[in-house]
Amino acid sequence: DTVLTQSPALAVSPGERVTISCRASESVNTGVYWYQQKPGQQPKLLIFGASNLESGVPARFSGSGSGTDFTLTIDPVEADDTATYFCQQSWTDPTFGRGTKLELK
Amino acid sequence: EVQLQQSGAELVKPGASVKLSCKTSGYTFTNYYMSWLKQMPGQNIEWIGNIYGGNGGTGYNQKFKGKATLTVDKSSSTAYMDLSSLTSEDSAVYFCARGRLQWNVYWYFDFWGPGTMVTVSS
Repeated sequence: DTVLTQSPALAVSPGERVTISCRASESVNTGVYWYQQKPGQQPKLLIFGASNLESGVPARFSGSGSGTDFTLTIDPVEADDTATYFCQQSWTDPTFGRGTKLELK
Repeated sequence: EVQLQQSGAELVKPGASVKLSCKTSGYTFTNYYMSWLKQMPGQNIEWIGNIYGGNGGTGYNQKFKGKATLTVDKSSSTAYMDLSSLTSEDSAVYFCARGRLQWNVYWYFDFWGPGTMVTVSS
């Protein structure tokens, strides 16, 4: 299986720019997707195909990368962005990273 | 509006089976895949498998073959997942999610149900 590695947690202040990284154990081309999950809720799709913004998602969210290194950027961060962010790949059977918990200072 | 409504929480005994449901609305069920995913407390998400609403064709994560069986009822636009021979390792939240194929290659999940918590305990 393709393993996705994410930093476990980040803390930023509202209004700042934050980048959340996701590294794949092998090249996955641009088959990477980003989800936001708030406590007790289901994941919500933010970015598809590494860099495409899902309909209805604020333009503060953006994605980039290809191959093995991918980034989700939130700029500027708002209080409502407190959540865990997961990356997912499907170059092979779909797998997910363990998530990055974003906290606001 | 796409909606996925999942069945309620289950408390089941070890060795038993359970059937979870995912009733859909707001889109043409037979034109899309339904995927099922597992999330254990504090852990990452695992893909279990996909089923096509049009013909019931399935694809499974090798890890869940023999554990999960996916079916659909087109008449009610509902997807089901049977979990068998349950153990404590099956205690988790199970999500249904609409599966999409980007460029006919990459799977992703654009709408998710709220999840069903399954607790396996004697």
